[in-house]
Amino acid sequence: ETGVTQTPRHLVMGMTNKKSLKCEQHLGHNAMYWYKQSAKKPLELMFVYNFKEQTENNSVPSRFSPECPNSSHLFLHLHTLQPEDSALYLCASSQVTGNTGELFFGEGSRLTVL
Amino acid sequence: DAKTTQPPSMDCAEGRAANLPCNHSTISGNEYVYWYRQIHSQGPQYIIHGLKNNETNEMASLIITEDRKSSTLILPHATLRDTAVYYCIVRSNDYKLSFGAGTTVTVRA
Repeated sequence: ETGVTQTPRHLVMGMTNKKSLKCEQHLGHNAMYWYKQSAKKPLELMFVYNFKEQTENNSVPSRFSPECPNSSHLFLHLHTLQPEDSALYLCASSQVTGNTGELFFGEGSRLTVL
Repeated sequence: DAKTTQPPSMDCAEGRAANLPCNHSTISGNEYVYWYRQIHSQGPQYIIHGLKNNETNEMASLIITEDRKSSTLILPHATLRDTAVYYCIVRSNDYKLSFGAGTTVTVRA
């Protein structure tokens, strides 16, 4: 138990569906992240929120829409996805102090797009 | 970001020390070295980090060379549950961590 909870753990959706992934951290951290991990590829940073403000968007397609309503919750809204978007989506949080602060990851949401 | 180079895979025997190397020759003076591991289909787990001095915690030891161009993660007594992908990461001057391909470590009985 890392203190970062992701739901759902598994999601299957069609290309025309709209769904959302949820992440909640119980650690009092000030930064939250979305990473994508495709099969046999390194983790790719998608979005970073620091104090609820989006500070990083790594050229992610607009069919992925993040939302950070408060410092404890992070969502990833999904719409009109493609089969190649099937991957493990990982949420993480950290307490950023200078350039340190380890990331705590959730268990991930395994997404399959049909 | 300073890039890191790790061997793609390595085997080690259960009960023995596992020494995982990492090269980061372009590291800047204020960048930290972080190590994470990812057990199959789970989220990455923080192991240890350091700047200049060697570090030790309940999981591992981190040895950083004096010129800081390379480091070694040491798992003192590897167990089967240590089988995972191990990532060596140099932290940029903000709060992002960029993961590479890592080293797939297989601990054999």
